[in-house]
Amino acid sequence: RKEVEQDPGPFNVPEGATVAFNCTYSNSASQSFFWYRQDCRKEPKLLMSVYSSGNEDGRFTAQLNRASQYISLLIRDSKLSDSATYLCVVRGGYSSASKIIFGSGTRLSIRP
Amino acid sequence: EAQVTQNPRYLITVTGKKLTVTCSQNMNHEYMSWYRQDPGLGLRQIYYSMNVEVTDKGDVPEGYKVSRKEKRNFPLILESPSPNQTSLYFCASSAPGTRTYNEQFFGPGTRLTVL
Repeated sequence: RKEVEQDPGPFNVPEGATVAFNCTYSNSASQSFFWYRQDCRKEPKLLMSVYSSGNEDGRFTAQLNRASQYISLLIRDSKLSDSATYLCVVRGGYSSASKIIFGSGTRLSIRP
Repeated sequence: EAQVTQNPRYLITVTGKKLTVTCSQNMNHEYMSWYRQDPGLGLRQIYYSMNVEVTDKGDVPEGYKVSRKEKRNFPLILESPSPNQTSLYFCASSAPGTRTYNEQFFGPGTRLTVL
């Protein structure tokens, strides 16, 4: 079993739709969680961190469920520019020394 | 402009010919890391460095070497490249300290093909 698992997709949704994807992690001791966005053939960039209480940034909402060991990303009112691969990232702790595991990514395609 | 740079961006080489991919950051970050990205496998960490002269193996270190003689530079060395090292490579850096340090800044990537 992979340490961090994501549905690879692709998710193909119409503009304006709401889309959600989950990411599960196997290490119950994991402390830090993130969503990164990666455009085709480009470098990953931080989309948002995921805090225990959940957090929102505009159209994006991230949730953490420690009991079930998954994090989720919800995108409301999706735009064409949201088309990308979304990477789930789990870190063993808060320090730079803690192990970082990337999921394989979920591809999202928004159609007009 | 704060950034991580990598060179070369694209490289085609032959088996056994030593190569170095350079990585440099101008953000005074202490932590630097190398990843490779392969279809279906995501990003896998090769090596990382907590500070100057401090390096450690990631998940897939075999066939690679690194050095950290200066804070800003973290080159990746392939002493004898093989075709299974054909991949997209990313260098990343981040700063320690507060929670916000967890953001990793990635370079633009180096696409390596070993024939």
